[in-house]
Amino acid sequence: GAVVSQHPSWVICKSGTSVKIECRSLDFQATTMFWYRQFPKQSLMLMATSNEGSKATYEQGVEKDKFLINHASLTLSTLTVTSAHPEDSSFYICSARDPVRGSTEAFFGQGTRLTVV
Amino acid sequence: AQTVTQSQPEMSVQEAETVTLSCTYDTSESNYYLFWYKQPPSRQMILVIRQEAYKQQNATENRFSVNFQKAAKSFSLKISDSQLGDTAMYFCAFPSTGANSKLTFGKGITLSVRP
Repeated sequence: GAVVSQHPSWVICKSGTSVKIECRSLDFQATTMFWYRQFPKQSLMLMATSNEGSKATYEQGVEKDKFLINHASLTLSTLTVTSAHPEDSSFYICSARDPVRGSTEAFFGQGTRLTVV
Repeated sequence: AQTVTQSQPEMSVQEAETVTLSCTYDTSESNYYLFWYKQPPSRQMILVIRQEAYKQQNATENRFSVNFQKAAKSFSLKISDSQLGDTAMYFCAFPSTGANSKLTFGKGITLSVRP
C-alpha cells in the first residue's frame, strides 16, 4: 500500500523557536497533502491543504504566518511552526492521497508530537 | 457543507463479542466514498474499511463490516469477535468532492475491549 513517512515523531523545543516537520510520500507522487492537528481524545482538525508548486490553502482560523507550509516536490511537504509557544503543543499529522488509486483514500504519516517548553 | 456525526464518545465491549459503532453524515452528493479509520494508542491512523455509495452491497473486511443506509445517511461499523487489539479511537470520515478532496472526520469514538 501507499506509505507516508512523517519526521520527526516527537520534538521538544523552547518557546520562541521554530520547528519543521516533514511529510514524505515514499512510493507515490502526491500533488496534494493535508496537515492536521489533534488534541488528546479529540478528532483531527484540518489545518491546511498543501499543493505541490503553489500556495497552501489554510482553513479558517489557522494563521498562515504561524504555520508555514511548503510543498516543493511531489513527494515532500513541510510544516514549520514559527515562534512556537506552549499553546502550539499538540499532535500534528499529515496525510496524502495517491491520485492513481482514485478512491480518495488518505494515507497518514505517523504523526509528530510537538512539545513547546 | 458536509457533516459527519458520531454521537457516542465511548463504548466498551467484552473480548470475542460484537460491537457496532454509529455514524451519520449529511451530503448533497449522490456518488461518494465513506471511510472508517482506526487510531490505536500509537496514534497511527489506519484505514479499516471503505464503502462506495453507489454500491448497494455493504463492505466487509474480515471481522469488520458496515451497515450502509444511503437514504438514512447512516454508516455504522460492526466489529465481530472483538480482540484486545481493536482497542482504539475510531473515526468515521467523508471526503469532499473536487480535486483536493479533504476528509471531514467525525468526533471519534473511544472503543475499549475488555479481556
